[in-house]
Amino acid sequence: DIQMTQSPSSLSASVGDRVTITCRASQSISTLLNWYQQRPGRAPKLLIYAVSNLQSGVPSRFSGSGSGTDFTLTISSLQYEDFATYYCQQSYLSLTFGQGTRLQIK
Amino acid sequence: QVQLQESGPGLVKPSETLSLTCTVSGGSISGYQWSWIRQPPGKGLEWIGYINDFGSPDYNPSLKSRVTISVDTSKNQFSLNLRSATAADTAIYYCARIYRAGGFGRTFDSWGQGALVTVSS
Repeated sequence: DIQMTQSPSSLSASVGDRVTITCRASQSISTLLNWYQQRPGRAPKLLIYAVSNLQSGVPSRFSGSGSGTDFTLTISSLQYEDFATYYCQQSYLSLTFGQGTRLQIK
Repeated sequence: QVQLQESGPGLVKPSETLSLTCTVSGGSISGYQWSWIRQPPGKGLEWIGYINDFGSPDYNPSLKSRVTISVDTSKNQFSLNLRSATAADTAIYYCARIYRAGGFGRTFDSWGQGALVTVSS
């Protein structure tokens, strides 16, 4: 099994801050890495697929990078609606999610 | 735009089978893979399995012995059966569409709203 580890598990930030979330795979997954946003009480929403491709309708303040085992999700200037939980997900071998990173308002 | 809706009992007794159906509207079930994902209250996401429109499934190894996912293309539905349910199976169950573009792997691009299933006597 490929394990996905996100850091930090939780993060406090302010509106306008630049935030980076990291996802590390237990083995190389090439570029088969996606990011999701989940607001409380809602289903997850696809943000970024294949490391750096923005899903249609996702604001450009979201970006992704990485390859192999180390990946990042960056939000360039936090907005109120960005305070949520973020998950990475690999599809290189089977399908697994990271444990999530909860982004809270400072 | 495709929409997915989970349906099924919200309460299941221990040792019984947890059964859910996902109805797909606004698009055909053909040509895609369809998946179940669950989320225990206050916890993270766990992939359960997926099936394609030809009926070929793949399952999370940790659940494989208890899970069956099936598809009914005539009704634009796919279903989940999880046998021998325990309290640990209490979760919000989501159905989702898998989008596969060449070289981009499997992505969950559309989700249902989720259905809470509690396993309790």
